[in-house]
Amino acid sequence: NAGVTQTPKFQVLKTGQSMTLQCAQDMNHEYMSWYRQDPGMGLRLIHYSVGAGITDQGEVPNGYNVSRSTTEDFPLRLLSAAPSQTSVYFCASSSGPLRGQFFGPGTRLTVL
Amino acid sequence: GENVEQHPSTLSVQEGDSAVIKCTYSDSASNYFPWYKQELGKRPQLIIDIRSNVGEKKDQRIAVTLNKTAKHFSLHITETQPEDSAVYFCAGNNDMRFGAGTRLTVKP
Repeated sequence: NAGVTQTPKFQVLKTGQSMTLQCAQDMNHEYMSWYRQDPGMGLRLIHYSVGAGITDQGEVPNGYNVSRSTTEDFPLRLLSAAPSQTSVYFCASSSGPLRGQFFGPGTRLTVL
Repeated sequence: GENVEQHPSTLSVQEGDSAVIKCTYSDSASNYFPWYKQELGKRPQLIIDIRSNVGEKKDQRIAVTLNKTAKHFSLHITETQPEDSAVYFCAGNNDMRFGAGTRLTVKP
């Protein structure tokens, strides 16, 4: 099993550009989440999903969209990138509530 | 909303000593308390977790204790080794709200 995979590993955007961060898992996990990690602030939840077709907002959802059309994939879309979105983004999956999360390798995003 | 406070932010110990990291949470509905370890440049990885019906859980050199009345839980690492050096995160709100992290350095 590949576990949780994310692409790309690195990305540089200009302010106002849009892009999609990809996340996939092959563990048949129902729960998937997106986090951003900034220095000194831990991991902050952006959006999460408890199953295909179901998504909800986390702590910092503004500027990001998600969809969950399949169990395996959970893409994160930045509609109009801003320098404040410069961060490391982690996708995670879990087999259910209260089960712990498996994280992907992360995407380092820089917005100029 | 749920708030998770983690202390200390940095911790330096000598190899072989013990290390303790503490987290406090505010949401009384929290029932699950995991700890994650993140080595430099790597992804966070779950190392131990505890549920609210248990007061303590051990796994070799690491343990987690939970005090639901006081709303805090702690990570204990005994006989620390250089490879324990990493950033450790606790999570509350049933794994949806993370503490700011503790950078542990184990000096050989």
